[in-house]
Amino acid sequence: LAKTTQPISMDSYEGQEVNITCSHNNIATNDYITWYQQFPSQGPRFIIQGYKTKVTNEVASLFIPADRKSSTLSLPRVSLSDTAVYYCLVGVGTGRRALTFGSGTRLQVQP
Amino acid sequence: EAGVVQSPRYKIIEKKQPVAFWCNPISGHNTLYWYRQNLGQGPELLIRYENEEAVDDSQLPKDRFSAERLKGVDSTLKIQPAELGDSAVYLCASSSPWGQLNTEAFFGQGTRLTVV
Repeated sequence: LAKTTQPISMDSYEGQEVNITCSHNNIATNDYITWYQQFPSQGPRFIIQGYKTKVTNEVASLFIPADRKSSTLSLPRVSLSDTAVYYCLVGVGTGRRALTFGSGTRLQVQP
Repeated sequence: EAGVVQSPRYKIIEKKQPVAFWCNPISGHNTLYWYRQNLGQGPELLIRYENEEAVDDSQLPKDRFSAERLKGVDSTLKIQPAELGDSAVYLCASSSPWGQLNTEAFFGQGTRLTVV
């Protein structure tokens, strides 16, 4: 399974855009990139998934360059409720069913 | 639709005692996961089921941990005997059948185990 590397923590203020980058140099051809969000005392929650280029939903955008060796989760205009840990996972998708979590990025949003 | 249901939510036991966790996945989800999450760390996979078959249990400490999913629906995870280092949050998750486009996993709220 591809190993992922992401910053341990990030700080932001309400209303700002937050970009969290994840490195996954050994991503395989069939691998998808998935991001989960986890609040304290809750299980992780799916945010977004992509394979290449750009994916956008009502919560976030995911940017994936052509070489797919990294990806960037973009959270527009964060609020205090976006304070959470964000995990980048690689490998979910056709033929790959394991979910391997790293240590995640702890995002702290301040007023 | 109900999400993944886990019980109990909290459990405190003395070391060397047995403990069991129960998980009811989302209806129709044939993939079920058990994870352990230590404080400040990401979830660590213990075991993954496809229907009633354990297809990945390489990270399950088999000397004291066991799991079952007899009818391919509910699952239980057992620890016997528990050790102090087993204190963690145990998470259950489920996902839709392999091959479907939406392969996101849905997690329960977890069971927080404290071994004293």
